[in-house]
Amino acid sequence: ETGVTQTPRHLVMGMTNKKSLKCEQHLGHNAMYWYKQSAKKPLELMFVYSLEERVENNSVPSRFSPECPNSSHLFLHLHTLQPEDSALYLCASSQEGVFGYGYTFGSGTRLTVV
Amino acid sequence: QKEVEQNSGPLSVPEGAIASLNCTYSDRGSQSFFWYRQYSGKSPELIMSIYSNGDKEDGRFTAQLNKASQYVSLLIRDSQPSDSATYLCAVIGGGADGLTFGKGTHLIIQP
Repeated sequence: ETGVTQTPRHLVMGMTNKKSLKCEQHLGHNAMYWYKQSAKKPLELMFVYSLEERVENNSVPSRFSPECPNSSHLFLHLHTLQPEDSALYLCASSQEGVFGYGYTFGSGTRLTVV
Repeated sequence: QKEVEQNSGPLSVPEGAIASLNCTYSDRGSQSFFWYRQYSGKSPELIMSIYSNGDKEDGRFTAQLNKASQYVSLLIRDSQPSDSATYLCAVIGGGADGLTFGKGTHLIIQP
């Protein structure tokens, strides 16, 4: 495996479900990020982890809960989501901490909340 | 609120011509500037980075930065149909806030 791997690629969940998105990077980077991409909107930064510590939370609703157990793995735990949370969720990693250059993105998880 | 502005397009360019994509940003403390290409249904892919005023060339791509005008551009020479995609401008500011993206410009190269 190389680069940044995200699973699952597609996810359909009901509003009362609990699910988790997984991201793994094989680049030796020390910072990881979750972004949300909705139609006709810019990519929105949700969470930043540098050296496994959460640095930035950008006022994301509590129904999204990140977890970074080590520098290679990042999770996004989802519960009681709303239909407007349907979007493409992208994980990225970089070197040099939160001022890192050239983020590498995973393929994303296409989430549909029904 | 830090903002990155791009014309959403679509920008239509004939094959073989030069495609010119533009971006402005609001944070004067911004330090690093990037262009990403995103094909439909795919994730963004980094194609150019630039950190100082002037031009930076890489193959058919040239990035231009003017910090005084808070302006970044991307030129694609000898445009190919495979260049058809959405091009995202991204900026890193002076704070711990990661990359800020524009909405992207949809580029169409007409054969």
